[in-house]
Amino acid sequence: DIVMTQSPLSLAVTLGQPASISCRSSQSLVSSDGNTYLNWFQQRPGQSPRRLIYKLSYRDSGVPDRFSGSGSGTDFTLKISRVEAEDVGVYYCVQDKGWPYTFGQGTTLEIK
Amino acid sequence: QVQLEQSGAEVEKPGASVKVSCKASGNTLTSYYVHWVRQAPGQGLEWMGVINPSGDTARYAEKLQGRVTMTRDTSTSTVYMELSSLRLEDTAVYYCARDHVDYWGQGTLVTVSS
Repeated sequence: DIVMTQSPLSLAVTLGQPASISCRSSQSLVSSDGNTYLNWFQQRPGQSPRRLIYKLSYRDSGVPDRFSGSGSGTDFTLKISRVEAEDVGVYYCVQDKGWPYTFGQGTTLEIK
Repeated sequence: QVQLEQSGAEVEKPGASVKVSCKASGNTLTSYYVHWVRQAPGQGLEWMGVINPSGDTARYAEKLQGRVTMTRDTSTSTVYMELSSLRLEDTAVYYCARDHVDYWGQGTLVTVSS
C-alpha cells in the first residue's frame, strides 16, 4: 500500500498570513495517463471531508483561489495564500492512484 | 450539485452486524464506483473498500476482509455497506464517497457498545 506522510501535524497561523502543508508518498503518484493522483481535503469540525484539490493542482468548484496545490511525483504541498477564520479544520492528503486509497495523518490548522 | 444521503445513526452490541445505506440524488451514483471510508472518534480517515458500478465486484481493505460486505441495488441506485462481528473499535463515522472521492455523504455514526 502507498503510505502518505504529512507534516506538520498541527499548524497555528495568524489571520491573513500564508500556510503550507507538506505531504509525501512512498511511491510515485504519477499514473500512465500522465496525471498525478493526489487530492487535498478539508474537514471542518463536525463536517464531512470536502475535496479542495484533485489531480495535484486542480481546484474543485467553489474552492477559493487562495488554496493551491503543487508538487511532483512523491512530494506535494498545499498552500493557503492568506488564512481566513473559516479555514480552521483538519487537512488531509489522499492518493487515488490505486486501491486502497490512502490518507495522510491529517494536519490541524488553527488560528494563532 | 450531487448529494449523497446516508442512513441514520446506529447503536449495536459487540458481535452484531450493521448495514449502512448510501443513495444519491438524481441517480448520480449509477455509473460510478463507490467507496466507503470510516473515521473513529478523534482519528483520521480509513479507506474500507470500493464497489464497482454494476455491483458485481468489490475490493476491501485487508484488515476488514471477512467482516465487510459492499453491495448495491442498481434499481434504486443505493449502495450498502455491511459490517459484521462488530467490535468496540468499530465505533466510527462511516462515509460513502463517489469515485475519486469527489462527493461524500453526511456520514453515519455507528456506535458499538455493550
